[in-house]
Amino acid sequence: DTEVTQTPKHLVMGMTNKKSLKCEQHMGHRAMYWYKQKAKKPPELMFVYSYEKLSINESVPSRFSPECPNSSLLNLHLHALQPEDSALYLCASSQLSEQFFGPGTRLTVL
Amino acid sequence: SQQGEEDPQALSIQEGENATMNCSYKTSINNLQWYRQNSGRGLVHLILIRSNEREKHSGRLRVTLDTSKKSSSLLITASRAADTASYFCATDLDDKIIFGKGTRLHILP
Repeated sequence: DTEVTQTPKHLVMGMTNKKSLKCEQHMGHRAMYWYKQKAKKPPELMFVYSYEKLSINESVPSRFSPECPNSSLLNLHLHALQPEDSALYLCASSQLSEQFFGPGTRLTVL
Repeated sequence: SQQGEEDPQALSIQEGENATMNCSYKTSINNLQWYRQNSGRGLVHLILIRSNEREKHSGRLRVTLDTSKKSSSLLITASRAADTASYFCATDLDDKIIFGKGTRLHILP
């Protein structure tokens, strides 16, 4: 299985809601990543987990909370988001340098 | 902060022509990678070139790397309609991946 899956594909939430994005890979990759991508912009790195430990946090606001329950799963918990957080959220995994991306979750914050 | 800068930002060429995109970066790297993204979807890895390599080929793709100038180029030969996408370079240093602004490539029939 060489796929990274993400759920849900689309999410609409209000600013007071709590929701979670999920990412899963079964390639045995050691590292997993969250990126945020706005329209016509490149992906921006948010978090990196290596061997299930948070190794990089790119000064992301605390309303985004990552979690890595095991080596195959990566979650991004969302709380009290702002409309400007609306974006495509991409998950990726890697063993070495090549990253395998999921299809993304399109998030809209109302 | 963004590391890579691609040029051109947008490129339209006729099917069958070659497309060249350039990328410049600012700091030390382990590797430089190129990715393709079709509209609103996940990125697909195309090719990786290590900091000690100067040129690499994969099918219709040719990548060069000049570490003295901190620049790379991606050449797609004999373009096809299916090559229409955004192309990003990405620099890689110790798990920290930084993407350039990207080139939007449009192949005209």
